[in-house]
Amino acid sequence: KAGVTQTPRYLIKTRGQQVTLSCSPISGHRSVSWYQQTPGQGLQFLFEYFSETQRNKGNFPGRFSGRQFSNSRSEMNVSTLELGDSALYLCASSLGFGMNTEAFFGQGTRLTVV
Amino acid sequence: KQEVTQIPAALSVPEGENLVLNCSFTDSAIYNLQWFRQDPGKGLTSLLLIQSSQREQTSGRLNASLDKSSGRSTLYIAASQPGDSATYLCAVSNSMDSSYKLIFGSGTRLLVRP
Repeated sequence: KAGVTQTPRYLIKTRGQQVTLSCSPISGHRSVSWYQQTPGQGLQFLFEYFSETQRNKGNFPGRFSGRQFSNSRSEMNVSTLELGDSALYLCASSLGFGMNTEAFFGQGTRLTVV
Repeated sequence: KQEVTQIPAALSVPEGENLVLNCSFTDSAIYNLQWFRQDPGKGLTSLLLIQSSQREQTSGRLNASLDKSSGRSTLYIAASQPGDSATYLCAVSNSMDSSYKLIFGSGTRLLVRP
């Protein structure tokens, strides 16, 4: 069974540019959530999508957005990049409901903004 | 607002030692609690999931317990090995959330010395 796939693995962008990250969840999982990990703030929730609908959003500026497609694949977009957006971006795949819901993470995308 | 704390922040032990990692959370209205392992620069690997109705879960040399009333979980690692060196993270999902969202602790960085 294939795991969670994130592409690309590494990105280097310039301030002011925009970037799109992709996440393919485990087959049959309808929930995809995104997290930002930095040394100072740890792992912070960005947003969660379930069956193409955003169900929850973390405390991040509007420059951070996402979407989910009918095949459950998800993308997140960051516009007008700032140096502080440099981080490891992780996506998690899960069934999205129920007490036994377990999250499975991808290897992450390392974004460096210069 | 749910907050998750992990103590200690770092731990160094000789190979073969049994050890306990601690996780505490402020709101007992959780759906479940999950323990993860993260190697440097990598994604998260799920170790154990404990549903809110359960008291403990075991997988190999790992045993995780949950005491919802006191807001605590422990991860017990038996007979530690150098390959166990990694950062261990605990995360909870809240039962009052209408989405699937994990709130993470800041992790315990474990070094097992040969």
